[in-house]
Amino acid sequence: AQSVTQLDSHVSVSEGTPVLLRCNYSSSYSPSLFWYVQHPNKGLQLLLKYTSAATLVKGINGFEAEFKKSETSFHLTKPSAHMSDAAEYFCVVSARGYGNKLVFGAGTILRVKS
Amino acid sequence: GAVVSQHPSWVICKSGTSVKIECRSLDFQATTMFWYRQFPKQSLMLMATSNEGSKATYEQGVEKDKFLINHASLTLSTLTVTSAHPEDSSFYICSARSGAQETQYFGPGTRLLVL
Repeated sequence: AQSVTQLDSHVSVSEGTPVLLRCNYSSSYSPSLFWYVQHPNKGLQLLLKYTSAATLVKGINGFEAEFKKSETSFHLTKPSAHMSDAAEYFCVVSARGYGNKLVFGAGTILRVKS
Repeated sequence: GAVVSQHPSWVICKSGTSVKIECRSLDFQATTMFWYRQFPKQSLMLMATSNEGSKATYEQGVEKDKFLINHASLTLSTLTVTSAHPEDSSFYICSARSGAQETQYFGPGTRLLVL
């Protein structure tokens, strides 16, 4: 089976400081990994994805994530937080061996303080 | 590109009535569409997967007679919540995928409130 663990349910940072949202995954097959962002009462927007190419993935809005197989991690980072980054972030895993079904983490709510 | 829309964005209905939610891929052909529900402060849970022209595949614990899914064309899937009850109140989100691609594109969601 596949699973995703987002280690922090809430993260609070000051504007202009770095962001780190942690994600660990489990999969019996080579995984694809995604980060999605959801603003209040909105649908999900894809930030970035890893699909077995470069392990350091750059996404939109200055976000990036690094796939570390040895640590089964896919942490999301951003050098400098902006107020508009405040939202909920979901780490997601899928694999061809599981029919490419998406399995979502529980989500991390990012709060950005001015 | 890769825009998915949902209609309506929110709906309030009386208990016992049926509600239909539409999901459309606006600029690509969605061979597969997915329906998720999200309870407050929780993550998304996959309800069912539908392939164009085929019967939907439901996840364990999801009643197929209560949540009717139709995927009659490559750009439209509908979810009908039949005989809705207050416990069906939730945020319903669809996503769409083209061919063998892995990336799913999500709609903006439909908030259902059953009184």
